[in-house]
Formats: sequence, C-alpha cells, structure tokens
Amino acid sequence: SQELEQSPQSLIVQEGKNLTINCTSSKTLYGLYWYKQKYGEGLIFLMMLQKGGEEKSHEKITAKLDEKKQQSSLHITASQPSHAGIYLCGADTGTASKLTFGTGTRLQVTL
Amino acid sequence: GAVVSQHPSWVICKSGTSVKIECRSLDFQATTMFWYRQFPKQSLMLMATSNEGSKATYEQGVEKDKFLINHASLTLSTLTVTSAHPEDSSFYICSARDPASEFGQYFGPGTRLTVT
Repeated sequence: SQELEQSPQSLIVQEGKNLTINCTSSKTLYGLYWYKQKYGEGLIFLMMLQKGGEEKSHEKITAKLDEKKQQSSLHITASQPSHAGIYLCGADTGTASKLTFGTGTRLQVTL
Repeated sequence: GAVVSQHPSWVICKSGTSVKIECRSLDFQATTMFWYRQFPKQSLMLMATSNEGSKATYEQGVEKDKFLINHASLTLSTLTVTSAHPEDSSFYICSARDPASEFGQYFGPGTRLTVT
C-alpha cells in the first residue's frame, strides 16, 4: 500500500515568515492533493498536482511536484495567522478514486 | 464549488446504542462517496467506499457489521455505527466524488461522535 510521510509534523512560525511542508510518497504519485483542515472541521481543497515538475500557486501558497513524482512540497510565503491549521497531502491511489492521506503537518503562526 | 454536508455535526450517545450519520452532496450527484475516521492529532483513515446502488467496499480491518453504510441515492450516503462503544468515539468525515470535476473529492465538515 502507498504511504505518505509529511515533514515536519508540526511547525511554529512568526507572522511574515516563509515556510515549507514536504510530502514524500513510497510509490509514484498519480495525483497529489493538498488540503487544509482546521481543528474539528472538514478539509479545504488547496491544490492538485499531476504532472512531474508541475508547480501551482494560489495567493501566497505554492505547491510543487518533483520530476520523479514521489515528493511534493507546499510553500507559504509571508505567513499570516489565517494560514494556521493542519495541512494534509493526499495521494490518488489509482484505485477507484481512493485517496491515501499523509501524516499531517500542524502549523501555528505567531504574532 | 461543490458542497458536501454532514448531519449531525456532533453527537453524544450512550454505549450500546446506534448512531446514524448522513452525508449529502448538495449541488452534484455523487455515485461514489467515502467515509473516513480521524483520531485526535492523526490523519484521515479511509474506512469504506460507498457506491450508489451497490454494497460498500470496506478497507482492511474495518468491521462491516459495525459500520453499516447505505448509499440509497446519488446525493445521500449514511454511516450507522451500531452498538457503539467508547472506542468508537472519533471524528467521522465523508467525501463525495464529483465526476464532472477534476478536483477529486469534496469533503464534508465532519461529525464528532462521543460515546459515553
């Protein structure tokens, strides 16, 4: 089965600082999704990557998928308190649209 | 964007009773829905795939008789936790796949179940 490892597990950054979260897969990724979750709430879709070397940006968040399609990174520029939450990467397993989720990264942004 | 709702958002029940959680796709038809479970400070674990008009497909280790799934229409899937025990207390999240969307699954807001 496919496993996704995220690093770091948790992160505390000062407002205005940049940060990067990594997601490493044990197998080649068919599709990689990034979600944000606030405690006790559902998941908010951020971005989806499919092609090796692909990079997408939305507001201050940029996600990349490496050429070998086994690692993705999520980069936040000039972090704000609104960025705080749990970031989850999810991989399309290639079977019946099922997703496998990473271990999660808990982000705190201090003032 | 597509919206998925869950009801109830939270529920407290006594040990031994059954609890039903609903998952609805509000503005699209979902032939496939997924049920996940999330323990505190942990990631989402897929429990089962709910297919409209057919039996659900359960992941390894998930008890079919304990977690009953019914997908009676293209917009509704239900998860019933039967004979609930305190160890079933968790955050349950559903998602629905919109075939017309490239973005995969849309997630509900989750249901927090506490079994006393």
